[in-house]
Amino acid sequence: QKEVEQDPGPLSVPEGAIVSLNCTYSNSAFQYFMWYRQYSRKGPELLMYTYSSGNKEDGRFTAQVDKSSKYISLFIRDSQPSDSATYLCAMIPPNFGNEKLTFGTGTRLTIIP
Amino acid sequence: GAVVSQHPSRVICKSGTSVKIECRSLDFQATTMFWYRQFPKQSLMLMATSNEGSKATYEQGVEKDKFLINHASLTLSTLTVTSAHPEDSSFYICSASTGGGYTFGSGTRLTVV
Repeated sequence: QKEVEQDPGPLSVPEGAIVSLNCTYSNSAFQYFMWYRQYSRKGPELLMYTYSSGNKEDGRFTAQVDKSSKYISLFIRDSQPSDSATYLCAMIPPNFGNEKLTFGTGTRLTIIP
Repeated sequence: GAVVSQHPSRVICKSGTSVKIECRSLDFQATTMFWYRQFPKQSLMLMATSNEGSKATYEQGVEKDKFLINHASLTLSTLTVTSAHPEDSSFYICSASTGGGYTFGSGTRLTVV
């Protein structure tokens, strides 16, 4: 079993829809949770960063972490064609900075105009 | 925000030659940098962790003598692909930790012909 499971998609939704992206994990030591967006042939761009359980909102993006279920989500409201990209979840245990990230496989998202 | 500058963005080299990829943290000091490799439509695969002033830590299966990593200062880490072969063609990305997450470079697409 992989440490982090993420549905690779592809996922296609119409413009304006709410998008829900999810990851599950098995390592209860993970404390920091991140979502990255990666456009084709570019490096990943950090979208959201949360610590432990709870919600965090930034514009059209909301990240949720449920440590009891080992489940994290990223919601995108009012989706735009420019949101079309691969979304990667990533997480690490404490000792932030020196630990390597554990990534999900990434979900390819396409927003249809 | 924190910026990691990676150069070159694209390089084509002949089989048997060596290629150096540079990764610089522009507005922060990076004690630790991470080097990844990514194949098309796949997630990032960690190759090695680079620590300033000490030897890099390589992941299992990554050849140390082939992928030379140097982290001589707090703002610069380099990856040299030695005696490159076509199977080394890939997308290489560096990353560093900052106060607000892990920031990635824009990636280097290496093509060995």
